[in-house]
Amino acid sequence: EAGVAQSPRYKIIEKRQSVAFWCNPISGHATLYWYQQILGQGPKLLIQFQNNGVVDDSQLPKDRFSAERLKGVDSTLKIQPAKLEDSAVYLCASSLAPAPRDTQYFGPGTRLTVL
Amino acid sequence: AQTVTQSQPEMSVQEAETVTLSCTYDTSESDYYLFWYKQPPSRQMILVIRQEAYKQQNATENRFSVNFQKAAKSFSLKISDSQLGDAAMYFCACQTQGGSEKLVFGKGTKLTVNP
Repeated sequence: EAGVAQSPRYKIIEKRQSVAFWCNPISGHATLYWYQQILGQGPKLLIQFQNNGVVDDSQLPKDRFSAERLKGVDSTLKIQPAKLEDSAVYLCASSLAPAPRDTQYFGPGTRLTVL
Repeated sequence: AQTVTQSQPEMSVQEAETVTLSCTYDTSESDYYLFWYKQPPSRQMILVIRQEAYKQQNATENRFSVNFQKAAKSFSLKISDSQLGDAAMYFCACQTQGGSEKLVFGKGTKLTVNP
């Protein structure tokens, strides 16, 4: 079974530029999550989708971050404009049904560096 | 909202020995789940073990076991017969069924396994 795919794996941008990350969850997984993991910390949930609807985006900085999951499969997370403090690893995860009932499976992450 | 505290930023163990990683948590919810995740260097996060709060029996997965002390809100991970491949960051996490329902992580413990 293929795992959660993410691209790109690494991205370096200047502050105030825009960036987008892509995630393809495990086939059949209805729930998709985006996490931000700052160096030295545990991941923090940014947004959770159930199919193509948003379940929780309470910790998403909506003035600069946006995410979509148009067809209930792939998802894109965008930052516009980026700030220095956005440097982090962005993790995508998916589960068959909403956790904690079902296990979340994580992708390899995208490491973002903002200069 | 729940909080998770890992008081050991780094731990080390000799190969074939046993090591215990500590975790405490706090939540006002009565229905919750506890997890230990492993994040090897430059590799994706994987679930090591999970514990449902309503279960009194401690969870076990091969060489990994937990000591769940509900009254003390403690959830430690014991790794027996440590192997070089166990070297990684280990994150303790808590997710409630009801309430915020976010998966909340601790800051992690870096485990080094010495040959």
